[in-house]
Amino acid sequence: GENVEQHPSTLSVQEGDSAVIKCTYSDSASNYFPWYKQELGKRPQLIIDIRSNVGEKKDQRIAVTLNKTAKHFSLHITETQPEDSAVYFCAVMRYGQNFVFGPGTRLSVLP
Amino acid sequence: NAGVTQTPKFRILKIGQSMTLQCTQDMNHNYMYWYRQDPGMGLKLIYYSVGAGITDKGEVPNGYNVSRSTTEDFPLRLELAAPSQTSVYFCASSYSVAGGPYPSYNEQFFGPGTRLTVL
Repeated sequence: GENVEQHPSTLSVQEGDSAVIKCTYSDSASNYFPWYKQELGKRPQLIIDIRSNVGEKKDQRIAVTLNKTAKHFSLHITETQPEDSAVYFCAVMRYGQNFVFGPGTRLSVLP
Repeated sequence: NAGVTQTPKFRILKIGQSMTLQCTQDMNHNYMYWYRQDPGMGLKLIYYSVGAGITDKGEVPNGYNVSRSTTEDFPLRLELAAPSQTSVYFCASSYSVAGGPYPSYNEQFFGPGTRLTVL
């Protein structure tokens, strides 16, 4: 089955700096890669996603890059703000299968 | 739209008791999922359904059962509760369509969660 690794497990950055979280996966047939943000005590919420026919996608301060050959994708957050502090999960899906989540990255943005 | 709703929000069970966690979505999504999230951990898939009448096991199905008689509802049944089932349970739904090399996926929406404690 699919195996998803996520690094780092914790990340602390100064406000205004950039943060990068990387996920690797094992199934080359996987073709949908979402990123979720989960604040303490709340439900996961989608912040950005990318499909396998696209190499990069950007939404304001958030971007995701996908390298299908190397089987990894990364979340990039620029100009970080305290409200970006949360746990971030990557996920991988192949049609007909189900979502497999990474173990999460706890991001702390220090003022 | 209410999105994905779950009841109850909190529940305490004694070992050996049974209960059903309710999940309803009003977005006409074909896929529905049940996850559990242990403290400080990621999401583990318990069961999922690709449509009414079709369910399949996820990564951690033991001790649970599901049914999907309608598009909207996907209840999760816990039989003989054990302390190891103490967790937060999230229901989710999404809409996926097959076709071509790049099937269409839409966002997976999560419910607010049910916090279950088994003592």
